[in-house]
Amino acid sequence: QKEVEQNSGPLSVPEGAIASLNCTYSDRGSQSFFWYRQYSGKSPELIMFIYSNGDKEDGRFTAQLNKASQYVSLLIRDSQPSDSATYLCAVNTNAGKSTFGDGTTLTVKP
Amino acid sequence: NAGVMQNPRHLVRRRGQEARLRCSPMKGHSHVYWYRQLPEEGLKFMVYLQKENIIDESGMPKERFSAEFPKEGPSILRIQQVVRGDSAAYFCASSPGQGDTEAFFGQGTRLTVV
Repeated sequence: QKEVEQNSGPLSVPEGAIASLNCTYSDRGSQSFFWYRQYSGKSPELIMFIYSNGDKEDGRFTAQLNKASQYVSLLIRDSQPSDSATYLCAVNTNAGKSTFGDGTTLTVKP
Repeated sequence: NAGVMQNPRHLVRRRGQEARLRCSPMKGHSHVYWYRQLPEEGLKFMVYLQKENIIDESGMPKERFSAEFPKEGPSILRIQQVVRGDSAAYFCASSPGQGDTEAFFGQGTRLTVV
């Protein structure tokens, strides 16, 4: 079992729809959770982080964390073609390093 | 994030040569992380450093790879005697603290071994 698993893509949604990206992790000691967006050929860009159970909203993005289920998700409302990218879930323990999932590629079709 | 500076952006090396990748963290950040990303794959952790200390090198290959973060100057990832399988994007990230603080990535160095 991978330490961080993301739902297999690619994921395709129409413009204006909600895109839902999921991530599970194996280490119950994980403390903090991050979502990065990576455009092809570019570096990862942090878009959301969450530490506590529940929802965290930032503009069109909502991160959801359920530590009991070891599950973290990212919802993108009103998806735009510019949201088309690979989304990486990252999980930290207090040891410092981030463990990344393999990413889910999202395509938003106009 | 433009604050983390990596150079060079692109590096071509012949098999057997050495590759040196540099990373200057964001101002005020004392924690540096190196990741490798193979084509069509996710980011794989390599090493975590603070100034003059290697904190976690569990992701570093046992041979040919080394990293340092001296008291003065950038962090260096060094790959000796490169092979074609070393061709990848190498990303550096920095953070102000450990664990629950978010890290910001540099633009990466794309190493091509010919």
